Amino acid sequence: GDSVTQMEGPVTLSEEAFLTINCTYTATGYPSLFWYVQYPGEGLQLLLKATKADDKGSNKGFEATYRKETTSFHLEKGSVQVSDSAVYFCALSDSSGGYQKVTFGIGTKLQVIP
Amino acid sequence: SQTIHQWPATLVQPVGSPLSLECTVEGTSNPNLYWYRQAAGRGLQLLFYSVGIGQISSEVPQNLSASRPQDRQFILSSKKLLLSDSGFYLCAWRDGNNQPQHFGDGTRLSIL
Repeated sequence: GDSVTQMEGPVTLSEEAFLTINCTYTATGYPSLFWYVQYPGEGLQLLLKATKADDKGSNKGFEATYRKETTSFHLEKGSVQVSDSAVYFCALSDSSGGYQKVTFGIGTKLQVIP
Repeated sequence: SQTIHQWPATLVQPVGSPLSLECTVEGTSNPNLYWYRQAAGRGLQLLFYSVGIGQISSEVPQNLSASRPQDRQFILSSKKLLLSDSGFYLCAWRDGNNQPQHFGDGTRLSIL
């Protein structure tokens, strides 16, 4: 079946540091890929998405590129801020076989310190 | 634009009591609807999903149930809550395959 693998964290960075959160996936079809962010006590918000190979999703300074050859969708940001402290979820949606489900990674907690 | 409403935001219930959590979506028709549970500091566990009125798929056998009485309404229920039912419950919707899900603000359920 489909799966998403990401580091659990926590990842602790100083403000203005470079961020990378790795995400790799397995899927039976040709999935769409997503990154979600969850702030404490809130629901998940869609951060960015990519629907085909070599697509780059970007939003609020975050970027991720759909790499089919390495089955990866790593999240990056050049300079993190304290306000970026949250849990980040990588996810995929694979419609092969008529599935209606989205597969999520375990979530990576990011702590940014001033 | 589409919006999703989930209530209540927090709920404290005694063991053995019933449960009803409601989720409604506005601004779209025939969405796919989902219920997830998130234990403290953990990832998401899919509980139920629905592709249409009256159509419910259960992912995890447990003492919870779901219903979809109207196109944009999704209800999570239990007849008798267990301590293990504590957690953060999230409702989500999406328009179709390979589209992103959109989440409600969640319900924090504590069982005493």
